[in-house]
Amino acid sequence: NAGVTQTPKFRVLKTGQSMTLLCAQDMNHEYMYWYRQDPGMGLRLIHYSVGEGTTAKGEVPDGYNVSRLKKQNFLLGLESAAPSQTSVYFCASSDQRTSDSYEQYFGPGTRLTVT
Amino acid sequence: RKEVEQDPGPFNVPEGATVAFNCTYSNSASQSFFWYRQDCRKEPKLLMSVYSSGNEDGRFTAQLNRASQYISLLIRDSKLSDSATYLCAVKYYGQNFVFGPGTRLSVLP
Repeated sequence: NAGVTQTPKFRVLKTGQSMTLLCAQDMNHEYMYWYRQDPGMGLRLIHYSVGEGTTAKGEVPDGYNVSRLKKQNFLLGLESAAPSQTSVYFCASSDQRTSDSYEQYFGPGTRLTVT
Repeated sequence: RKEVEQDPGPFNVPEGATVAFNCTYSNSASQSFFWYRQDCRKEPKLLMSVYSSGNEDGRFTAQLNRASQYISLLIRDSKLSDSATYLCAVKYYGQNFVFGPGTRLSVLP
């Protein structure tokens, strides 16, 4: 049981290049999320999904696209990378434990540098 | 003003000390509240959910004050292994989660 995995772990991009970050979970969770974490800013939600085939915008969606074609996978795409997208990206998944309890399980993160 | 704010820290405390962190949120429509722990260069992990009546898990106690819009985390008898950054998180409608910037704790021998 691997939990939440992310690939790649590290990546360096040049400005204008594109890439896709892959998140996979094996816990059969309905909800999946993409966050970015920058120093002093905490985690900020980029996009999330409440089920296969659905996506929704979070706090900072500009410059990113996502897809959830399979329940276990959530892809984050950068079409034209910018230096402002240099960050650590975390994927998470969760399911509803009780009416007010959602434990999010996070992947190990992807460190992205855009030069 | 940020939606979720935390004590800026860092907190440097001796082993065995009691330490408290506060977190305030601005959106009164907040539904659920959480404390996460994040070790250096690692992913966040859920420490505990925060319930209206307050809840305790061993040395950790969480409180929620909806009227004043803040949550707190109390750690008693601090251990070296408690050194980490503590993030509070607030869930709004749907699956919208907002995290605070975190408070770093160092427990010193």
